[in-house]
Amino acid sequence: DAMVIQNPRYQVTQFGKPVTLSCSQTLNHNVMYWYQQKSSQAPKLLFHYYDKDFNNEADTPDNFQSRRPNTSFCFLDIRSPGLGDAAMYLCATSGDYNTDTQYFGPGTRLTVL
Amino acid sequence: AQTVTQSQPEMSVQEAETVTLSCTYDTSESDYYLFWYKQPPSRQMILVIRQEAYKQQNATENRFSVNFQKAAKSFSLKISDSQLGDAAMYFCAYRIIQGAQKLVFGQGTRLTINP
Repeated sequence: DAMVIQNPRYQVTQFGKPVTLSCSQTLNHNVMYWYQQKSSQAPKLLFHYYDKDFNNEADTPDNFQSRRPNTSFCFLDIRSPGLGDAAMYLCATSGDYNTDTQYFGPGTRLTVL
Repeated sequence: AQTVTQSQPEMSVQEAETVTLSCTYDTSESDYYLFWYKQPPSRQMILVIRQEAYKQQNATENRFSVNFQKAAKSFSLKISDSQLGDAAMYFCAYRIIQGAQKLVFGQGTRLTINP
């Protein structure tokens, strides 16, 4: 089945130690999104790619970076995780800007010690 | 800026009964989409139902229906014949039609189904 896959599902890192979260999709969608969802809060968009074009949200901290080496994969890099970065990170895809549905992956829960 | 408000942090309903989840939003746009997403515990978020603002007819998907009141900027979700599998966090979300598909989410309503 076509889907959005996130690895790992659970990630533990140490304060200040760089970490990378992975998202892949078999939907061949043009757009890939990264959301941060803190406990009991709504998901918040960090950034998205339309093909290779990177679009950062104005309030996304510089500590968060992203890479999209090809259509299928997108990575979220946290350069120096702080305790406040502990959250669920959701990857989503959509076919195009005018397609109205985003398909979400299961998320990666990040713990920062 | 667009905002979405869900005023009910938690709701509960007896199995087989009907429950309505509330959502209001604020926007100056005339064309937009509204969504309800379901996020079961430890499982991925899935789309429940969507509504295009230019359509007057309320969207329906099986046991799920919405009451869309554009002038009041209200978008409630009705779940009929509630089932145990409906237990989840429900998020109301908004996005404009043109341009980047930024979803703006409400804070969520946790729905419990009592057997």
